[in-house]
Amino acid sequence: SQELEQSPQSLIVQEGKNLTINCTSSKTLYGLYWYKQKYGEGLIFLMMLQKGGEEKSHEKITAKLDEKKQQSSLHITASQPSHAGIYLCGAVPNSGNTPLVFGKGTRLSVIA
Amino acid sequence: ETGVTQTPRHLVMGMTNKKSLKCEQHLGHNAMYWYKQSAKKPLELMFVYNFKEQTENNSVPSRFSPECPNSSHLFLHLHTLQPEDSALYLCASSPGTGMPYGYTFGSGTRLTIV
Repeated sequence: SQELEQSPQSLIVQEGKNLTINCTSSKTLYGLYWYKQKYGEGLIFLMMLQKGGEEKSHEKITAKLDEKKQQSSLHITASQPSHAGIYLCGAVPNSGNTPLVFGKGTRLSVIA
Repeated sequence: ETGVTQTPRHLVMGMTNKKSLKCEQHLGHNAMYWYKQSAKKPLELMFVYNFKEQTENNSVPSRFSPECPNSSHLFLHLHTLQPEDSALYLCASSPGTGMPYGYTFGSGTRLTIV
């Protein structure tokens, strides 16, 4: 079965600093989703990447998909307290209609 | 609000109790899911319904019983649960079950077994 490894597990950054979160798959990626979760809440959709080399941005968050490396990265520029939360990547494990599998998440704290 | 509503938000129950979790969506989605989220573990898929039909049961113990009366509603019936079942239970929906459909999640039900 496919597994997604996220790194780092947790991250504390000073407000205004940039940061990167990685998601590496044990198998071929057919698509990659990034979600954000506030503690004890549901997941909020951020971005979906489907094609190798694809890059998407939303406000100060940019995500890239590297199919060859079976990896995706999420980059936050000039972090703010509002960026704090848990970031999870999710992937379709094969090319069929199979439910998403998720990584364990990366807990981000932003301090003033 | 995401369009997927879960009730209750918090539930404390004894191991011998019977309770139900409810999930409702009015997004016009055809697929609905139950996931379990425990500390330091990836989200675990429990059940999948597509057009009201269960398409996946991920080896979930029988003390969890799902019900999907229509495409807008999904229930998770609980009975004789164990302490390790304490977790955040998340419901999600999607237009279909394949790519490129992303999932819309509810806020979850925090379940504590005492």
